[in-house]
Amino acid sequence: DIQMTQSPSSLSASVGDRVTITCRASQSISSYLNWYQQKPGKAPKLLIYAASSLQSGVPSRFSGSGSGTDFTLTISSLQPEDFATYYCQQSYSTPAFGQGTRLEIK
Amino acid sequence: QVQLVESGGGVVQPGRSLRLSCAASGFTFSSYGMHWVRQAPGKGLEWVAVIWYDGSNKYYADSVKGRFTISRDNSKNTLYLQMNSLRAEDTAVYYCARDGGYCSSTSCSPLQNWFDPWGQGTLVTVSS
Repeated sequence: DIQMTQSPSSLSASVGDRVTITCRASQSISSYLNWYQQKPGKAPKLLIYAASSLQSGVPSRFSGSGSGTDFTLTISSLQPEDFATYYCQQSYSTPAFGQGTRLEIK
Repeated sequence: QVQLVESGGGVVQPGRSLRLSCAASGFTFSSYGMHWVRQAPGKGLEWVAVIWYDGSNKYYADSVKGRFTISRDNSKNTLYLQMNSLRAEDTAVYYCARDGGYCSSTSCSPLQNWFDPWGQGTLVTVSS
C-alpha cells in the first residue's frame, strides 16, 4: 500500500501569510494527488485534483504542484476562512489520505 | 444543486449490523461512481469502499473487506453500505462522496478516485 505523509502536522500563521503544506508519497504516484479542506464538524471539500488542477469555485489563492513523490499545497495569502485542516490523498491506487495538517491562527 | 444526504447511523452493539443510505440529487446518479469514506472521532480520513456507476465493480479497504458491502439502486438514486460484524474500531462518521469520473452513452472514465462533493456524514457508534 502507498503511504502518504504530510508535513507539518500543524502550523500557525497569520492572515495575509503565504503558507505551504507538503505531502510525500511512499512511491511514485505520478500526478494522482488531490487536496481537501475540512473545517470542524463539516465534510471535507475538494480543493485541488490531479496535483495542480483547481476545482471549480475554489479561490485562486490555492494552488498545487508536484509529481512523483513530492507535492505541495500553497495558499498565497491566508484569509480568515482558510483556517482548517488540510488533507492530501493519492488516487494512483487504493485511495489513501495523509494524516492531515491543522492550520491555526497565530 | 448537487446534494448527498446520508442516513442510518446510530449506536449499535459489537457484532451487530447496520445499513447506511446516501440519497443523491441534482445530478445523473447513474453516471458516477460512488464512495464511502469514514473518519473516526478526532482522527483522519479513511477510504472504505467504491462502486462503479453501474454497480459492476466494487472495491473495499482491507479493514472492512468481508464485513461491509457497498451497493446502489440507480432507480432510487441511492447508495448503500451494509455493515456486518461491527467492531468498536468501526466507530466513525461515514461520508458518501461522488467520484470524479463520469460515464455517458458516448464516453466513459469510470473512476478517478477523487471525491467531490461529499455528504454531511452520519455517525456510527459501536459500543456495548
